[in-house]
Amino acid sequence: DIQMTQSPSSLSASVGDRVTITCRASQSISSYLNWYQQKPGKAPKLLIYAASSLQSGVPSRFSGSGSGTDFTLTISSLQPEDFATYYCQQSYSTPPTFGPGTKVDIK
Amino acid sequence: QLQLQESGPGLVKPSETLSLTCTVSGGSISSSSYYWGWIRQPPGKGLEWIGSIYYSGSTYYNPSLKSRVTISVDTSKNQFSLKLSSVTAADTAVYYCARRGPSDAFDIWGQGTMVTVSS
Repeated sequence: DIQMTQSPSSLSASVGDRVTITCRASQSISSYLNWYQQKPGKAPKLLIYAASSLQSGVPSRFSGSGSGTDFTLTISSLQPEDFATYYCQQSYSTPPTFGPGTKVDIK
Repeated sequence: QLQLQESGPGLVKPSETLSLTCTVSGGSISSSSYYWGWIRQPPGKGLEWIGSIYYSGSTYYNPSLKSRVTISVDTSKNQFSLKLSSVTAADTAVYYCARRGPSDAFDIWGQGTMVTVSS
């Protein structure tokens, strides 16, 4: 299985901050990398697919980049509704695997 | 607007079989572009893919669960189902059904259903 890691595991930020979350795969996954946002008690929501493509309806302050083994999710200006846990997931090979998550909370 | 809804018992006894159904509404499960899957999340932990199915019945399972998992589809009811046998407390989790689209991402999720394994 391809192992996914994320850093940091948690971060505290203020509204308006630029936030960057990193995801690393244990082997090259090309651009087969997706990002999800999960709020407490809710299902994950797809934000970014194929490393850098914005899912329909997702605000443009979210962006993704990277290829191979290293990827980033950036929130350009953090909004109150963005406080949540973010997961990366590789779709390069079966089984699809998720990172352990990065919790973004209010400073 | 496509929606997914999980249903099934919230409590299962150890060694028994967990059974859940996902009902798809607002669209057809028989669309050729999509796979339909199950993902679970133990309390306070991360996400684990269980398996996926195509409307034709082709299945893909997580090797770590393969010996205990069966996923099936009923196109006449627009539903797909999960069976997980010989459950233990480690199978206690929120179980989500989700659609995997052409982008290979899980783009639509059900709200999730909590299943507790306890006697």
